[in-house]
Amino acid sequence: AQSVTQLGSHVSVSEGALVLLRCNYSSSVPPYLFWYVQYPNQGLQLLLKYTSAATLVKGINGFEAEFKKSETSFHLTKPSAHMSDAAEYFCAVSELDGGATNKLIFGTGTLLAVQP
Amino acid sequence: ETGVTQSPTHLIKTRGQQVTLRCSSQSGHNTVSWYQQALGQGPQFIFQYYREEENGRGNFPPRFSGLQFPNYSSELNVNALELDDSALYLCASSPPGDYNSPLHFGNGTRLTVT
Repeated sequence: AQSVTQLGSHVSVSEGALVLLRCNYSSSVPPYLFWYVQYPNQGLQLLLKYTSAATLVKGINGFEAEFKKSETSFHLTKPSAHMSDAAEYFCAVSELDGGATNKLIFGTGTLLAVQP
Repeated sequence: ETGVTQSPTHLIKTRGQQVTLRCSSQSGHNTVSWYQQALGQGPQFIFQYYREEENGRGNFPPRFSGLQFPNYSSELNVNALELDDSALYLCASSPPGDYNSPLHFGNGTRLTVT
């Protein structure tokens, strides 16, 4: 079964600093990988997805992620943090599960704080 | 384009009671999935509905059940509520045809069981 590990449940950066959120996956087949963001009291919003077309994936709000098969990683980065980036971020892998399509296995999330 | 809507937004129930949560899928989306997100955790897959039938299920007991209607909206029913059922319940819809298209999530229903 596929799984996702997010290192660091809490990350704090200064406004303008680099954001790096880590995600490692376990999958026996080429994975489909996603990053979602969750603002307080809201659902999840898609940031970006990897579907094997390109290893560097650009998403919304200036975020991007690089798929590294040799490291089984899909880390999320943003060159310059903004106060509005403060939220919880979830990495997810799509699992083949018989009939269910689009079944996602989520990591435990990383709460990003941005200090002024 | 109307997104995924869920009702109610908050709910308080007593242990042993039953609850029904509702979800309207995004326009054009025919597949609905339900996830449970406990406090401080990532969402966990409960089940998925497609063409009004359950199309896959996670590791949840039978007291978690669902329905999908011809207009693709869906309900999640939980019987014999337990304290551990307290969580944010998220509904997500996806369009037909693309096996790994991203899920579109609603804002969730916050269920508290006392």
